[in-house]
Amino acid sequence: GAGVSQTPSNKVTEKGKYVELRCDPISGHTALYWYRQSLGQGPEFLIYFQGTGAADDSGLPNDRFFAVRPEGSVSTLKIQRTERGDSAVYLCASSLELGAEAFFGQGTRLTVV
Amino acid sequence: ILNVEQSPQSLHVQEGDSTNFTCSFPSSNFYALHWYRWETAKSPEALFVMTLNGDEKKKGRISATLNTKEGYSYLYIKGSQPEDSATYLCAFGDYKLSFGAGTTVTVSA
Repeated sequence: GAGVSQTPSNKVTEKGKYVELRCDPISGHTALYWYRQSLGQGPEFLIYFQGTGAADDSGLPNDRFFAVRPEGSVSTLKIQRTERGDSAVYLCASSLELGAEAFFGQGTRLTVV
Repeated sequence: ILNVEQSPQSLHVQEGDSTNFTCSFPSSNFYALHWYRWETAKSPEALFVMTLNGDEKKKGRISATLNTKEGYSYLYIKGSQPEDSATYLCAFGDYKLSFGAGTTVTVSA
């Protein structure tokens, strides 16, 4: 597609539920990144993929968070047993290669009630 | 996590006025400094990627300078227009970007 696409744009879920957030990167971009922006803060790095593999997942806050990119294109961020503190805007970005200019999606606003 | 600070947190500008704001970052192990503009309900849009000390970049009425030795960058908006209203984020790093909290600019007609 023309840009990075994230779905859904908004997600409201109950505490304890499981959610999946999807990211479609720009075609041909090998690098894919997930960030999370909590209220009043800048985006924080979660995980980075080069191709199919998670090259750096040091930003994932705990083991309730997991992300996959099985075919080296679309990525899914999965959050188990959601907590109210997980409420944030989850941003996905992609770049042609490692460290190149990153293009962001519009984000998924997750609200855990 | 690298400490990236932006100031001010927000500012209001009259249409036609010029303004500027700051991003400060660690001066050691510099790789690159990115500026993004993020309008409500849209994707963050890349404005500049700056890598060299003394770099100056310009895009229309917006420009940026970089001082890697003292660890700061300025973003300038000349002749502000209502469409410049957005949150401006700076980010420091290589592939793993550390973002500031942003400066929210509101331009009044």
